Amino acid sequence: SQTIHQWPATLVQPVGSPLSLECTVEGTSNPNLYWYRQAAGRGLQLLFYSVGIGQISSEVPQNLSASRPQDRQFILSSKKLLLSDSGFYLCASTPRASSSYNEQFFGPGTRLTVL
Amino acid sequence: LAKTTQPISMDSYEGQEVNITCSHNNIATNDYITWYQQFPSQGPRFIIQGYKTKVTNEVASLFIPADRKSSTLSLPRVSLSDTAVYYCLVAITGGGNKLTFGTGTQLKVEL
Repeated sequence: SQTIHQWPATLVQPVGSPLSLECTVEGTSNPNLYWYRQAAGRGLQLLFYSVGIGQISSEVPQNLSASRPQDRQFILSSKKLLLSDSGFYLCASTPRASSSYNEQFFGPGTRLTVL
Repeated sequence: LAKTTQPISMDSYEGQEVNITCSHNNIATNDYITWYQQFPSQGPRFIIQGYKTKVTNEVASLFIPADRKSSTLSLPRVSLSDTAVYYCLVAITGGGNKLTFGTGTQLKVEL
């Protein structure tokens, strides 16, 4: 099965500062990758997904961006953080090949607090 | 993607069977029903998936009536460690799908 690594685990950043969250995947090649954000007590909001290197689709307009420089590396960035960017950020992976299951593998997440 | 509706919260006691029902009136012919579990400060984890009738695995059972407009996740003999948020999703199968997670059902299991 796949293993998703995310870092850092927690992060406290001031408003207006930049952001870089990294996600790497083991145990699969050519996966689809996803970034989600979860506000306190809320469901998961899909932010970005990628079907391959350099291919990024944005689900929600915002001051965040994503990049996929390598097959199993997915990066979430911001040039200037807002208070509303606080939340729990999750990276997920799913095999590209046809599967009979809608199973996404999630990383441990990054808890971001913007002050 | 079909919209789902499920209770915001449920309470239970250890050893009881818990049934969480999800409504998905607009489910499409090619949609499957998938359930995830999420513990605090962790990512969701796939539990079970089905198309119709009944599916059972080592964790749960999923009951789907003939019209497929609802589904019920059944957790037998819950324990404290089953306290979590449970999400019901409907989507076509296939690697790489975009899944829509709602707010889920917060299950609290007590002694």
